Amino acid sequence: QITLKESGPTLVKPTQTLTLTCTFSGFSLSTSGVGVGWIRQPPGKALEWLALIYWDDDKRYSPSLKSRLTITKDTSKNQVVLTMTNMDPVDTATYYCAHRLIWIGYFDSWGQGTLVTVSS
Amino acid sequence: DIQMTQSPSSLSASVGDRVTITCRASQGIRNDLGWYQQKPGKAPKRLIYAASSLQSGVPSRFSGSGSGTEFTLTISSLQPEDFATYYCLQHNGYPLTFGGGTKVEIK
Repeated sequence: QITLKESGPTLVKPTQTLTLTCTFSGFSLSTSGVGVGWIRQPPGKALEWLALIYWDDDKRYSPSLKSRLTITKDTSKNQVVLTMTNMDPVDTATYYCAHRLIWIGYFDSWGQGTLVTVSS
Repeated sequence: DIQMTQSPSSLSASVGDRVTITCRASQGIRNDLGWYQQKPGKAPKRLIYAASSLQSGVPSRFSGSGSGTEFTLTISSLQPEDFATYYCLQHNGYPLTFGGGTKVEIK
């Protein structure tokens, strides 16, 4: 059974850097075809894909946020970390991590999400 | 970027109704599309992958169809637990993009 869980601060100040950790079980990020992605959802709004990292350390980013995002993995700890710099109130959202098999395509298992509020 | 236009943005329906939701892609995406259901305060739940393949454990009243640029999610007989917001996701190319969502409400 695949499980994922996001962790990190619930409140950050404008201009600060956000660091979120996704801790997962039930799969390995060293297995061919496996990826972990981040998706966010502002309150009352639609889902937005942010970043993906694959078993081979290939990394993909949303072009609109690429300059602010970094995604890394620690295979030994079963963790994926997303950092987002220069946070702004418009970045207030629930942030999800999710599992992807590249040949299935979509995100088949999701974490519960973590709400991050950006406010001074 | 591939834009996903989802319609309608909301609809009101009764239990037992047949409901159809559409996603249109700004360019051809083969069948690289999935559908999700999301209830308030919860993570999206997978329903359909590869445009028409039902995820294991999902009731058979849900079905997906389409290829290329037009896709539909159909609920053949709406049940009380189906009132939720539905999203499509294209994964044919980066950036991955979601539709704007369709909120299915009780009439």
